[in-house]
Amino acid sequence: SQTIHQWPATLVQPVGSPLSLECTVEGTSNPNLYWYRQAAGRGLQLLFYSVGIGQISSEVPQNLSASRPQDRQFILSSKKLLLSDSGFYLCAWRSGTHEQYFGPGTRLTVT
Amino acid sequence: QKEVEQDPGPLSVPEGAIVSLNCTYSNSAFQYFMWYRQYSRKGPELLMYTYSSGNKEDGRFTAQVDKSSKYISLFIRDSQPSDSATYLCAIANSGYALNFGKGTSLLVTP
Repeated sequence: SQTIHQWPATLVQPVGSPLSLECTVEGTSNPNLYWYRQAAGRGLQLLFYSVGIGQISSEVPQNLSASRPQDRQFILSSKKLLLSDSGFYLCAWRSGTHEQYFGPGTRLTVT
Repeated sequence: QKEVEQDPGPLSVPEGAIVSLNCTYSNSAFQYFMWYRQYSRKGPELLMYTYSSGNKEDGRFTAQVDKSSKYISLFIRDSQPSDSATYLCAIANSGYALNFGKGTSLLVTP
């Protein structure tokens, strides 16, 4: 069966510090991968998606970036965090049909 | 007009009640409909997936789609305190992205 992992689970970082969040998927090949941010009262915001290694589409212009160095690995990064980057970051995968499956999430607090 | 509208609630019901959760959407090209359940501080969990008008049942859960009215519903029968969570609808066309509602917060009281 398929499993999706995210780490770290929680993170507290000062403004201006770098960020690296990692997502890995097991039990499937060539999935579509997604990064979302969920802020209180604002719903799920799609940040990036990837249909293959090295292929990244950005949905929202901001100081975040994403990379997909391996088929089942998706990384979310920032060089300098802003207070507004605080939120709950979710990774998701999708195979041949349209439903997406989410990871456990990373709760980021920027102080 | 937002593509997917969902009443945020909160919705509070007694244990055993039938719960009705709803979303409306604006784009008639949407063809695929999902409901997710999200417990506090957890990732969303897929509950139901359907792509046709009508009803789909899974245990205590029934998903209903009315494409002519652009209206979808999730019914929960014999609600339990463990059903207390936020319920998100998600709708898609043939592209890569899902369009999510903001979620309805449900509380089932013993």
